[in-house]
Amino acid sequence: GQQVKQSSPSLTVQEGGISILNCDYENDMFDYFAWYKKYPDNSPTLLISVRSNVDKREDGRLTVFLNKSGKHFSLHITASQPEDTAVYLCAAGIGANTGKLTFGHGTILRVHP
Amino acid sequence: EAAVTQSPRNKVTVTGGNVTLSCRQTNSHNYMYWYRQDTGHGLRLIHYSYGAGNLQIGDVPDGYKATRTTQEDFFLLLELASPSQTSLYFCASSDTGDEQYFGPGTRLTVL
Repeated sequence: GQQVKQSSPSLTVQEGGISILNCDYENDMFDYFAWYKKYPDNSPTLLISVRSNVDKREDGRLTVFLNKSGKHFSLHITASQPEDTAVYLCAAGIGANTGKLTFGHGTILRVHP
Repeated sequence: EAAVTQSPRNKVTVTGGNVTLSCRQTNSHNYMYWYRQDTGHGLRLIHYSYGAGNLQIGDVPDGYKATRTTQEDFFLLLELASPSQTSLYFCASSDTGDEQYFGPGTRLTVL
């Protein structure tokens, strides 16, 4: 089965609004969680990540929330801008230096002016 | 910032053909990865390596071989290419195995 799942294939938000992207996972051994951003015809780049010993991490307009009991993590983007329009991929890994991430299928975020 | 390059950027071959995709990273990262990206499937890990001469099997390894010849170079081999292997292939590298830096991708078409 799919170990990391993004149930919403797409999301549309008005400029200035808050974008909320969600990710569910199955393996409760995962303890590293990340969000990558991908523009069309470009490669993915890391946006923000968090380890399981915290339940929230902020970086500018980005916040990751982690709910380990619910096997769920989310990315909140405040003051969404048209340049935030991209594919967002969630990823999860087990332990430090394991070398392997499992990615979700991605959510297309469209921010309309 | 890590520099990961891939070659070729585009490749067209025929069913049964032999293809080698190349990846080089110049930041002395330990880990290197090969992924394929397909609509509806996201990024799927084919093979990865944590050092020269090491190879680990990923989640979708069938039909692919890989070889890590040096710290910098990681190759993906398709010895009998099939149309189902038409995809966008990304190479990535990482120092610790967490934050991964991706190359620009290789678009492979198997006719």
